[in-house]
Amino acid sequence: GAVVSQHPSWVICKSGTSVKIECRSLDFQATTMFWYRQFPKQSLMLMATSNEGSKATYEQGVEKDKFLINHASLTLSTLTVTSAHPEDSSFYICSAAPVVRPISSSTDTQYFGPGTRLTVL
Amino acid sequence: KQEVTQIPAALSVPEGENLVLNCSFTDSAIYNLQWFRQDPGKGLTSLLLIQSSQREQTSGRLNASLDKSSGRSTLYIAASQPGDSATYLCAVRRSTSGTYKYIFGTGTRLKVLA
Repeated sequence: GAVVSQHPSWVICKSGTSVKIECRSLDFQATTMFWYRQFPKQSLMLMATSNEGSKATYEQGVEKDKFLINHASLTLSTLTVTSAHPEDSSFYICSAAPVVRPISSSTDTQYFGPGTRLTVL
Repeated sequence: KQEVTQIPAALSVPEGENLVLNCSFTDSAIYNLQWFRQDPGKGLTSLLLIQSSQREQTSGRLNASLDKSSGRSTLYIAASQPGDSATYLCAVRRSTSGTYKYIFGTGTRLKVLA
């Protein structure tokens, strides 16, 4: 089945530094990738929609200058948390929608990565 | 604005019980609804998807129903097992064609005791 990877799986950084998280579709091409944030014991909140070759679309309340998204190829999207602060500590999950969707599928055509745990000290 | 709520927030049951998890959404104009499982510190695994025109979907011990008009979905787990312990999330996709955005519910943390 379709596989989405994230790197790193966890990261600890100092306040004020920038952190880059990668989301890769390993065996399919994805024109659209999504970035979610999940705080402890809370649900996933969509941060932005990333389209290959164009600017990302951010959800209301998400600072685009703080969360930089680059979707440079059909298999890779990156999220950079700039000048990270402790309140940015969270679980970041990406998902990818394939270019070619299966004709029939028991699940929607969007595959989720395993997530990246970010801790800002 | 679509809001998705799940009840109960947490549930602890002995092994073998049949369970019902509830999901409600405020805007009935949805494209589909999907149930996910999330293990601690992990990503999401899709369990079942129900299109807006469907009433239910089944996979093994899982059965999901959808009542779009009332804004409700239920996930039924038969003969629960300790391996079913996880957080279950429901998510609705907006009705707009080509828009993959999902709005996630608050989740139900399930613990099945051996």
